[in-house]
Amino acid sequence: KAGVTQTPRYLIKTRGQQVTLSCSPISGHRSVSWYQQTPGQGLQFLFEYFSETQRNKGNFPGRFSGRQFSNSRSEMNVSTLELGDSALYLCASSRGDRDTLEQYFGPGTRLTVT
Amino acid sequence: GENVEQHPSTLSVQEGDSAVIKCTYSDSASNYFPWYKQELGKRPQLIIDIRSNVGEKKDQRIAVTLNKTAKHFSLHITETQPEDSAVYFCQPPHLNYGGSQGNLIFGKGTKLSVKP
Repeated sequence: KAGVTQTPRYLIKTRGQQVTLSCSPISGHRSVSWYQQTPGQGLQFLFEYFSETQRNKGNFPGRFSGRQFSNSRSEMNVSTLELGDSALYLCASSRGDRDTLEQYFGPGTRLTVT
Repeated sequence: GENVEQHPSTLSVQEGDSAVIKCTYSDSASNYFPWYKQELGKRPQLIIDIRSNVGEKKDQRIAVTLNKTAKHFSLHITETQPEDSAVYFCQPPHLNYGGSQGNLIFGKGTKLSVKP
């Protein structure tokens, strides 16, 4: 079956702008999580959505938000971009139930803020 | 809250040697303990996981051991090969600041280099 897809793959934005990233999970997966990956900080957890509801949240400012649609596709939005938001943004999907916790990652969106 | 320690942060071994990476956690919010591998330029992928009802699990050259009393689990790679060079992440159980349970945060990663 098709894997996790993310669009766009690369993005260049200017400080102060906003950006929306998209993630399509594996068919049948109801959980989508978002991560920010930078060389110095590893994989930082942003938030998790399950059945259109935010179920878990990391320690990121309110400029970072997300949502999930009824088909489990998820979007992540970053408003008022800062230079420090430059990173690889990864989403991961899983079935989301207690017995199947393995996460499958997408290829990521490389965001550059200038 | 989160309290994850993964050691070492970098590890360099000679091909054929063994490598051990340890992950220490504080919240016993889940019974699932996975390890992910991320090769350069690629996405993280699950390589092995263990449930808390067993103490060790092996899959060819890799194994994971769990010590629930001491709250740590370790990744063991034997007979290392150059293709094992990657960054390895543990994903321990944690309690979200809001009290929710999950296996969503990651250790800071261990960069393993296997020299031929």
